[in-house]
Amino acid sequence: AQSVTQLGSHVSVSEGALVLLRCNYSSSVPPYLFWYVQYPNQGLQLLLKYTTGATLVKGINGFEAEFKKSETSFHLTKPSAHMSDAAEYFCAVSDSNSGYALNFGKGTSLLVTP
Amino acid sequence: DAGVIQSPRHEVTEMGQEVTLRCKPISGHNSLFWYRQTMMRGLELLIYFNNNVPIDDSGMPEDRFSAKMPNASFSTLKIQPSEPRDSAVYFCASSNGQGSYNEQFFGPGTRLTVL
Repeated sequence: AQSVTQLGSHVSVSEGALVLLRCNYSSSVPPYLFWYVQYPNQGLQLLLKYTTGATLVKGINGFEAEFKKSETSFHLTKPSAHMSDAAEYFCAVSDSNSGYALNFGKGTSLLVTP
Repeated sequence: DAGVIQSPRHEVTEMGQEVTLRCKPISGHNSLFWYRQTMMRGLELLIYFNNNVPIDDSGMPEDRFSAKMPNASFSTLKIQPSEPRDSAVYFCASSNGQGSYNEQFFGPGTRLTVL
């Protein structure tokens, strides 16, 4: 069965600084990987996803993530944080064996300070 | 498109009462998912449907929980009887297509409090 580990339940960065949110996965077959964002009192919104092909994936709001099979990682980055990026971020994995189900990590809360 | 619609947005009930949560997926989507979010356990998949048929309900915590999808535009999640430990935010999501790589679109959630 696949699983996801997000390192760091809380991350704090200054406005304008690099954002790095870590995600490691385990899967016995090639994975499909996702990053979702959740703003307060809202549902989850897809930031980006990796299925096949190019390992560097660009998403909305300037975020990107790189699939590294050798490191079983899918870390999320953004060069310059904005105050509006403060939210909860979830990494998720699925694969051809899991049917349609997404397996989510515990989430990382991003705080952006002025 | 209105997105995934859930009702009610907030529900406060007393232990032992029946609770029904409702979801309207995005028109044309053929897969529907129910998730539960708590601080302790994070986001957990409870059940999902494909073409109105339940595919996997292994995440449903116990027999007090049941879910139905009578047609392509409506689903319910029922808890009977409710208990305080059921307090959580319940999300409904829908997606289009057969693949596990398809994006799931989430509703705003129902915040359930069982006293």
